[in-house]
Amino acid sequence: NAGVTQTPKFQVLKTGQSMTLQCAQDMNHEYMSWYRQDPGMGLRLIHYSVGAGITDQGEVPNGYNVSRSTTEDFPLRLLSAAPSQTSVYFCASRNSGGGTGELFFGEGSRLTVL
Amino acid sequence: DQQVKQNSPSLSVQEGRISILNCDYTNSMFDYFLWYKKYPAEGPTFLISISSIKDKNEDGRFTVFLNKSAKHLSLHIVPSQPGDSAVYFCAASELRGAQKLVFGQGTRLTINP
Repeated sequence: NAGVTQTPKFQVLKTGQSMTLQCAQDMNHEYMSWYRQDPGMGLRLIHYSVGAGITDQGEVPNGYNVSRSTTEDFPLRLLSAAPSQTSVYFCASRNSGGGTGELFFGEGSRLTVL
Repeated sequence: DQQVKQNSPSLSVQEGRISILNCDYTNSMFDYFLWYKKYPAEGPTFLISISSIKDKNEDGRFTVFLNKSAKHLSLHIVPSQPGDSAVYFCAASELRGAQKLVFGQGTRLTINP
């Protein structure tokens, strides 16, 4: 069972370049989200989605775009990368109802913007 | 404005002893709390949760205590084992399964043999 899969695991970009971080889950979860982890800041929510076609902003959405065309996939786009976007990015998903409400995380994508 | 705070960046505990990780929050609307554990180069994994209607929840060696009046929760690990060495994040939301989960900064726990 793959769970939440993120690609790439590592990426180096130059300022102004664009890229997409991919996230796919095979657990049929309605809810998916993107977090970034920075030293001393913990995990901060960038964007989330409660189902295909529905997305909304989190705590730090500026500079990022998302879309949700299928239940399985939730890509995160950086249109014009900035050094402030150097971070480790985590995609997470969960069931919409019942249980503990726990998030299932991918292994992370480490992005460096020069 | 950090709504969930873990004021100890690191903690070192001897194997077999109790580890106590603390977390404070400022938003009185938070009603549901979770702890996650993270190893290097891996994503966080869920450990234990607690709803505000309880003041304690246990799962094996892990117990979470909630003091709602003080806006404080703690995670107790007894006995501590070397495999418990990791970064621990507490997280809070306005209800179980809410769309926005707010995380603390994390505490790095090191268990010494």
